Amino acid sequence: DAGITQSPRHKVTETGTPVTLRCHQTENHRYMYWYRQDPGHGLRLIHYSYGVKDTDKGEVSDGYSVSRSKTEDFLLTLESATSSQTSVYFCAISERAGRDNEQFFGPGTRLTVL
Amino acid sequence: QQPVQSPQAVILREGEDAVINCSSSKALYSVHWYRQKHGEAPVFLMILLKGGEQKGHDKISASFNEKKQQSSLYLTASQLSYSGTYFCGTADNAGNNRKLIWGLGTSLAVNP
Repeated sequence: DAGITQSPRHKVTETGTPVTLRCHQTENHRYMYWYRQDPGHGLRLIHYSYGVKDTDKGEVSDGYSVSRSKTEDFLLTLESATSSQTSVYFCAISERAGRDNEQFFGPGTRLTVL
Repeated sequence: QQPVQSPQAVILREGEDAVINCSSSKALYSVHWYRQKHGEAPVFLMILLKGGEQKGHDKISASFNEKKQQSSLYLTASQLSYSGTYFCGTADNAGNNRKLIWGLGTSLAVNP
């Protein structure tokens, strides 16, 4: 199994509070992705990174920011959490560009915003 | 443009076959297939690249018809372990090569 972990695995927070989710990899893969998964919507890309300090938006980036200061860590921040951001968040890594290469997914973080 | 998967759900008895389709409105560069079991992360099955051959993974295989802009996943002699949700992810020729667009998934249940 690819070395990819997410923390925390579960979190309950209140509307308006900031939340940071962490993705950590030990594979030295260049690409890292943050997805959210909701019933009826499949996997939706929030942000991704193609190198240290190189990030780009996905299809549902509003309300989220990311940072990658080291190859192994990719942080997802909800500046002011809203109930609509209640979801399961998956991090994924890939050695090469997404269209040519498989993605390895982390175990997921279940976030509940009350 | 999100790919369309069909059917949305399928129920099989152990040993039966199934086909899951993934169609796009755009010319595709690659199609990726993943399986996700309940409460777990998606797991990679296979990639099909433009101009590539049909792929196989145990008793699961897939084809990629570039002209029709679609891919099909074939599950033969299904096993209980095949149960889960199957997702296709697509990368089109003109789009961003760093990311995939995902279908909504096909739920597969295999019963004894």
